[in-house]
Amino acid sequence: DTAVSQTPKYLVTQMGNDKSIKCEQNLGHDTMYWYKQDSKKFLKIMFSYNNKELIINETVPNRFSPKSPDKAHLNLHINSLELGDSAVYFCASSHGALDYGYTFGSGTRLTVV
Amino acid sequence: TQLLEQSPQFLSIQEGENLTVYCNSSSVFSSLQWYRQEPGEGPVLLVTVVTGGEVKKLKRLTFQFGDARKDSSLHITAAQPGDTGLYLCAYSGAGSYQLTFGKGTKLSVIP
Repeated sequence: DTAVSQTPKYLVTQMGNDKSIKCEQNLGHDTMYWYKQDSKKFLKIMFSYNNKELIINETVPNRFSPKSPDKAHLNLHINSLELGDSAVYFCASSHGALDYGYTFGSGTRLTVV
Repeated sequence: TQLLEQSPQFLSIQEGENLTVYCNSSSVFSSLQWYRQEPGEGPVLLVTVVTGGEVKKLKRLTFQFGDARKDSSLHITAAQPGDTGLYLCAYSGAGSYQLTFGKGTKLSVIP
């Protein structure tokens, strides 16, 4: 009965590969996000979609491409993976005003070797 | 972009002790949120504060928003090992969907 679910939980891959992380929410929220948490635990926004429309696109290499097939799903595709992409990636969702906060998934730990 | 400073960065205390962690900025916030993140999990919302001077309680946790809405504190009474985690404050601009996080305070409560 998970509210925001991400798959996979762990991803180990070689440099240069292409990989995807999937995210689904069953909360009926209209906005979804991708955040990156680095080794020092700093959370930085990457993208946000509202009703399938991209509304936030921070300075992120264009090797990262989000896709939202519907408002319950937001996937993240990464091309030509680099060592520096190793981090924990969090999906989150929210409904309307941010007074209700975000609901986060449990993260995908990406390790590029 | 407003800068959020959280202090201390790390805190290790014995079970039963009290503690306070801080979230400060030179700018005014329309609202501020506190999250707790446990290892291997995503952050979980604890509270949202909106009004200057507001105090909210969540069991042994007391959250305060500064009168000028530039700072906030989280006080934990009689800390327990289950309080261990990364405490993050975050703000959003008025009308914005984006949350900007501080770097967090990593709390360890030793039994």
